[in-house]
Parts: sequence; C-alpha cells; structure tokens
Amino acid sequence: EPEVTQTPSHQVTQMGQEVILRCVPISNHLYFYWYRQILGQKVEFLVSFYNNEISEKSEIFDDQFSVERPDGSNFTLKIRSTKLEDSAMYFCASSSQKGRGEQYFGPGTRLTVT
Amino acid sequence: TQLLEQSPQFLSIQEGENLTVYCNSSSVFSSLQWYRQEPGEGPVLLVTVVTGGEVKKLKRLTFQFGDARKDSSLHITAAQPGDTGLYLCAGWGYGQNFVFGPGTRLSVLP
Repeated sequence: EPEVTQTPSHQVTQMGQEVILRCVPISNHLYFYWYRQILGQKVEFLVSFYNNEISEKSEIFDDQFSVERPDGSNFTLKIRSTKLEDSAMYFCASSSQKGRGEQYFGPGTRLTVT
Repeated sequence: TQLLEQSPQFLSIQEGENLTVYCNSSSVFSSLQWYRQEPGEGPVLLVTVVTGGEVKKLKRLTFQFGDARKDSSLHITAAQPGDTGLYLCAGWGYGQNFVFGPGTRLSVLP
C-alpha cells in the first residue's frame, strides 16, 4: 500500500541553524502539506502546496519557513534559522484531491532545537 | 478560524465496553475525517464523512456526521486494548485550511 515517507525520523540541531525536512508523498498525489505538532498540543496546519507553488499558509509559516518540490518525488520543508520553539513533530501529508480530499500522513520528523 | 472541539478529552474503559466520542464545531464543514494517532507517529486516517447524516461503519467503529455538518461522533462497540490511542477529528471548513481537533485519548484496559 502506498505511503508517505519522511526523513530523518529525528533531527537535533542548534538554535540558529538551518534544517531541511524531507518527505516523499504518495506518487500520484498532487497536493502536499506540512503540519507540526508541539508536544502535547494539537496538530497545526503550516502550508499547502500544489502545482509548484504555495496554495495556503498559516500564521505559523513565517519568513523562516519555505517549501520546495525539488524533483518529481521529494517535498521539503526548510527552516532557515531555527528557534527553540520550533521543536516539534513535523508531519508531511499528501492528497489526490483538494477540498474533500483525504490526506495521508507520514510518520513525522521529530525536530529538537537546543 | 473554524475550531473543532472534542469530548471527552480522556476516556478510560474496560475491555468489552462501548464508548462514544464527540467532535463539535460552531461552523459547517464540507467533510470531516477521523484519525487515530499513536505516540510518536503520524495520524492514520480511519474514515471520511461527507454528507450530512451519513453513517459509516468500520468493523466495530461507527462514524456519524451530523445533519448540519457541524458535528460528528465515533462509537466503538466492545472496545479492545488495541483500540487504545488518540482519536482526532479533522476537517476542511469552507474557505478554511484543514483543522484538527485536540483529540480524545482512549485507554482500554484488559
């Protein structure tokens, strides 16, 4: 069964460093998403991406964040200068259809900023 | 921002019991999805409900979407320890991003 994969599973970085989180969405999906979940809190929407551009983004997704689909399979989230409060689980998801489309989530990357 | 609330926040029951958890909003959602999340893992999609009043069954799990598409429920019959986990509702509001509820943490004791 097709699944979303994410690497690395755990990333530890120092404050101020850049990190890139990688995702491989399900191959025939066209819509891609990033979410984060701070420990003990709700899953929060960050950004959606379609046709090589951002469709929507939340207030969390500020200038420190960027997304890219560098090739036909990967979808990346970059945090330019990490802060302590960026420590969270980051989930990638993909969908074949916007709006009512079902989203399938990856296993997540645990980012720890020290 | 359309919010989803879930109740109860925590639920601990004995194996074999039935339970219902709820997902509510003051806003209309075009669809709602239910996920189950294990610690340290991503949400796993259980079901999507789209039509007001819709009922979907997945083995011992029954999902219902309210007539007004503002609420949903998940009923589990004869709960088993393997049902233990965090149950999340989430959905697309009209003109809104995908939002998650805070979840109901279910513990089924053997």
